Amino acid sequence: IAGITQAPTSQILAAGRRMTLRCTQDMRHNAMYWYRQDLGLGLRLIHYSNTAGTTGKGEVPDGYSVSRANTDDFPLTLASAVPSQTSVYFCASSEGQGAGDTQYFGPGTRLTVL
Amino acid sequence: SQQGEEDPQALSIQEGENATMNCSYKTSINNLQWYRQNSGRGLVHLILIRSNEREKHSGRLRVTLDTSKKSSSLLITASRAADTASYFCATAMDSWGKLQFGAGTQVVVTP
Repeated sequence: IAGITQAPTSQILAAGRRMTLRCTQDMRHNAMYWYRQDLGLGLRLIHYSNTAGTTGKGEVPDGYSVSRANTDDFPLTLASAVPSQTSVYFCASSEGQGAGDTQYFGPGTRLTVL
Repeated sequence: SQQGEEDPQALSIQEGENATMNCSYKTSINNLQWYRQNSGRGLVHLILIRSNEREKHSGRLRVTLDTSKKSSSLLITASRAADTASYFCATAMDSWGKLQFGAGTQVVVTP
């Protein structure tokens, strides 16, 4: 089934630990995005990639890094997790880079940092 | 700060009634999109309206856009229990598809 998969589904992590959230899409979309969703704040963009090999910073990039080695995968890494990074993380993709492109979302990863 | 803000924050209606929610935004936009999120799931795209459009329909959904007031509304007609979800507006200000989402309207439709 075409779409976006994220792993893990949920994770409890000790503060200071390193964690990589995985995201894979099989739609051959050019653009990919990482958002975090916090209660009352909607979704906020962390990082994005317009095409394989390029990445950019979103609204809340501090404490996170991404890479885009190929079209399908867009992992998000927390180098040293802090409790304020407790959130639900969504990966999304779109066929093009344009403002009119629909974004397709993965099921999310619920991360708790203690 | 958020570009889009939905109103109301929560809405409770009975099946068969119409549900209306609004989105206000602060700066000029290229387009505005509405997404739905069922509890514990990812967002699903519903409809996109461009800045030069005033109204758009998709099934039981009707979206309006008033760029002079910087606002949009989403109307769900003849609501069903399956419409229970959170609804988010998202605006795109530039050509790179970076959407800014509002905090959402939580809609509960009771049978």
